[in-house]
Amino acid sequence: GAVVSQHPSWVICKSGTSVKIECRSLDFQATTMFWYRQFPKQSLMLMATSNEGSKATYEQGVEKDKFLINHASLTLSTLTVTSAHPEDSSFYICSAPHSKGTVYEQYFGPGTRLTVT
Amino acid sequence: TQLLEQSPQFLSIQEGENLTVYCNSSSVFSSLQWYRQEPGEGPVLLVTVVTGGEVKKLKRLTFQFGDARKDSSLHITAAQPGDTGLYLCAGARGGFKTIFGAGTRLFVKA
Repeated sequence: GAVVSQHPSWVICKSGTSVKIECRSLDFQATTMFWYRQFPKQSLMLMATSNEGSKATYEQGVEKDKFLINHASLTLSTLTVTSAHPEDSSFYICSAPHSKGTVYEQYFGPGTRLTVT
Repeated sequence: TQLLEQSPQFLSIQEGENLTVYCNSSSVFSSLQWYRQEPGEGPVLLVTVVTGGEVKKLKRLTFQFGDARKDSSLHITAAQPGDTGLYLCAGARGGFKTIFGAGTRLFVKA
């Protein structure tokens, strides 16, 4: 099956610093990737759609200047949380769609737990 | 507006019991996926259903896609503690984007 990796798996940073999270599709190419945020015991909240070669599309209420997304290649998207604050602490997950016949299935990375102190 | 309604939101049962999770929408989907997520990990794809009325089985899990492709169900037979997790349904209408339900948190007690 399709494999998506994330790095780092967890990170602790100080308030005011920036953190970069990488999402890679390991055995397939992804012109589009998705970034989610998940709070404890809640479902996934789509933050933005990352597009290779063009600007990311952000969901309503998500600050694009705070959550910078760069889709550098067909296998790599990065999410940078700028000037992080404790309220940015969360579990961040990426996914990449992979074609299976006529449908696309989302394959998820293992997630990155961000703690801002 | 939640386009995909999942129910129940939380379920706590004893090992050996059966359960059904529902995923409903007023919209038609070209395909629907079910995922299971364990704490601290990303969701893992369980199954994709495409055809209205389709039934797929994965060991003790039975997935059904509604005839009109607006709803789906997941039935677990003889639940085990290893089934504990967050179950998510996700619908696609063609293209890359997927809409997720709010999830059903299942806890199976030994």
